[in-house]
Amino acid sequence: AQKITQTQPGMFVQEKEAVTLDCTYDTSDPSYGLFWYKQPSSGEMIFLIYQGSYDQQNATEGRYSLNFQKARKSANLVISASQLGDSAMYFCAMTGGATNKLIFGTGTLLAVQP
Amino acid sequence: DGGITQSPKYLFRKEGQNVTLSCEQNLNHDAMYWYRQDPGQGLRLIYYSQIVNDFQKGDIAEGYSVSREKKESFPLTVTSAQKNPTAFYLCASSTGTSGYEQYFGPGTRLTVT
Repeated sequence: AQKITQTQPGMFVQEKEAVTLDCTYDTSDPSYGLFWYKQPSSGEMIFLIYQGSYDQQNATEGRYSLNFQKARKSANLVISASQLGDSAMYFCAMTGGATNKLIFGTGTLLAVQP
Repeated sequence: DGGITQSPKYLFRKEGQNVTLSCEQNLNHDAMYWYRQDPGQGLRLIYYSQIVNDFQKGDIAEGYSVSREKKESFPLTVTSAQKNPTAFYLCASSTGTSGYEQYFGPGTRLTVT
């Protein structure tokens, strides 16, 4: 069975600094996808970044990058130059197998301080 | 604008009543999903549909039912058999299976008393 683990319930970061949110995963599927979503207080889930299991390079999307270490089964999200608007819950998720079902971690609450 | 709509944003029901949550998308996506989120938790999959007139149970399907008569619509019924229906419900869609990001609607917060 697939599983996502996020061990940081909450994180603080100063505005303009970088922050890393941890995510480890477990799967027996050779092909899988790793995702990060942001959930502001409004509740909507916003897609941030995707990494495929066969991708050789780490994914990047603007200020977001995914530090993919396949051997360690980790997929940490790095946010550079944090902004106040980055304060939200962040969820790591994965898919695998023949369907696109998402398995979510329990999330990390990020608070950006001025 | 393309997107996913869920209505209403907040829904209140008495225990023992069935309630249907709507989800509509105009993204021309084949696959649609329903998730449930409880406070302090991640999302858990209730049902998903990869094509019209077909759907499969997710991890927590008991007490829920769905239909997929049109590509654009995937309503979720929370039945009286669902023991703990109060939660935040999110609908999502994607272009296909395997590796495609899912786009989420704004969610419906259901409270049953």
